[in-house]
Amino acid sequence: SQQGEEDPQALSIQEGENATMNCSYKTSINNLQWYRQNSGRGLVHLILIRSNEREKHSGRLRVTLDTSKKSSSLLITASRAADTASYFCAPGNSGYSTLTFGKGTMLLVSP
Amino acid sequence: GAGVSQSPSNKVTEKGKDVELRCDPISGHTALYWYRQSLGQGLEFLIYFQGNSAPDKSGLPSDRFSAERTGGSVSTLTIQRTQQEDSAVYLCASSSPGHQRETQYFGPGTRLLVL
Repeated sequence: SQQGEEDPQALSIQEGENATMNCSYKTSINNLQWYRQNSGRGLVHLILIRSNEREKHSGRLRVTLDTSKKSSSLLITASRAADTASYFCAPGNSGYSTLTFGKGTMLLVSP
Repeated sequence: GAGVSQSPSNKVTEKGKDVELRCDPISGHTALYWYRQSLGQGLEFLIYFQGNSAPDKSGLPSDRFSAERTGGSVSTLTIQRTQQEDSAVYLCASSSPGHQRETQYFGPGTRLLVL
């Protein structure tokens, strides 16, 4: 697997606002995943989008994928304090594959 | 159903001692991964088991590290003669043989501190 690069490194918003974070990668992929990590533990899978998909929704999450630009974005709508976490993208190939994370985007949502 | 569990949650040991970390994957998941995450660092792959295939040990940092998976389920990561640089959070993940086998489900991790 390859490492994605998340941008921005840090994002601070108020509750109720939307948060957008981006991921860029270098070589062609079969899929891209987003994970969230709270307080240095607890990695949680959020969503997976395949290379033949352009947009995918899950609750308050919206993910887009532009394979021509080798980039993805994660939008969290109506953010809550509980969304405070680090967010990582993982560009990958099909099937079983190890994950490689970059430095992530640290999101802080203030009440 | 139950998620991935790991034990112990925290482990403090003295330099030079051996430690064993345990991972119970989600029932039915055939793939199991070990990673570690040092303070302020990214996720570092250690070892990967898939079914009855030989494990991918390419991420193990030294021969002091080893892992086994018994009966295709529980896995134990052993670190011999621990060093201070082994201090990290050790994370285990598993994935199912279904159509989203790329998705990994993580346990809460074991925080290892070597004094």
